[in-house]
Amino acid sequence: GQQLNQSPQSMFIQEGEDVSMNCTSSSIFNTWLWYKQDPGEGPVLLIALYKAGELTSNGRLTAQFGITRKDSFLNISASIPSDVGIYFCAGLYDYKLSFGAGTTVTVRA
Amino acid sequence: GAGVSQSPSNKVTEKGKDVELRCDPISGHTALYWYRQSLGQGLEFLIYFQGNSAPDKSGLPSDRFSAERTGGSVSTLTIQRTQQEDSAVYLCASSLKYGETQYFGPGTRLLVL
Repeated sequence: GQQLNQSPQSMFIQEGEDVSMNCTSSSIFNTWLWYKQDPGEGPVLLIALYKAGELTSNGRLTAQFGITRKDSFLNISASIPSDVGIYFCAGLYDYKLSFGAGTTVTVRA
Repeated sequence: GAGVSQSPSNKVTEKGKDVELRCDPISGHTALYWYRQSLGQGLEFLIYFQGNSAPDKSGLPSDRFSAERTGGSVSTLTIQRTQQEDSAVYLCASSLKYGETQYFGPGTRLLVL
C-alpha cells in the first residue's frame, strides 16, 4: 500500500506531557486507524475513525479524521510511562491498509 | 478465539528451507490479511482472503510465497526456498467483513540464516 507521511519520526516524552503526532497522504481514505506496537508484539488498535471531520476519544487518546480525508492526528494527554512504543497511522481504502512509517515514543531520562 | 493468534511466534531456519506460518483469525471474521514488517520497509501488504478466496495476491514478493485459507478460518503462509531477505515479522490481521477495521495478531518473527 501507499506509504503515508507520519511525523514526527520519534519523540521523547516526560511523564505528564501531552504528545501529538500526525499523518498526511496524497490519497483519500475511507477510514483512518491508529495502532500502537510494543516490542515483540503485533499492532494493537487504539482508535478507528470512519467519517471525515470525526473527532474521537479513547481515554487519554484523541484522534481526528481530517475533513479532506487525507490526514489525521493523534493526541495523547498526560503521558505515562506505558505510553512508550511505536505508533502507526493507517489509512484504509477498500480493503487495503496503507501505513505510516511510525512514531517512536521514548521516555526522556 | 478472543483475538488473532499466530504460530510459531519465532522461527529460525536455514536458507533454502521451506517454512509454514499459521494464522487463526478472530472467530466469525470473514476477511483475513497477511502483512510483512521489516526494518526499513515498514508494513507491507502481502495478500487478502475473503472466505477461502484470495482476490488480491499482488503483494506477494515472489512465486516462492503462497498462502491458502481453509474452512473460512485458518490460513497458512508458505515460503519456499527461503532467502535471507525473507527475514521479517509476518503479521496476520482479520476483519469482520471486507473493508472493515483490521485487528492484528502478535506476528511470527522469521530469521533466515
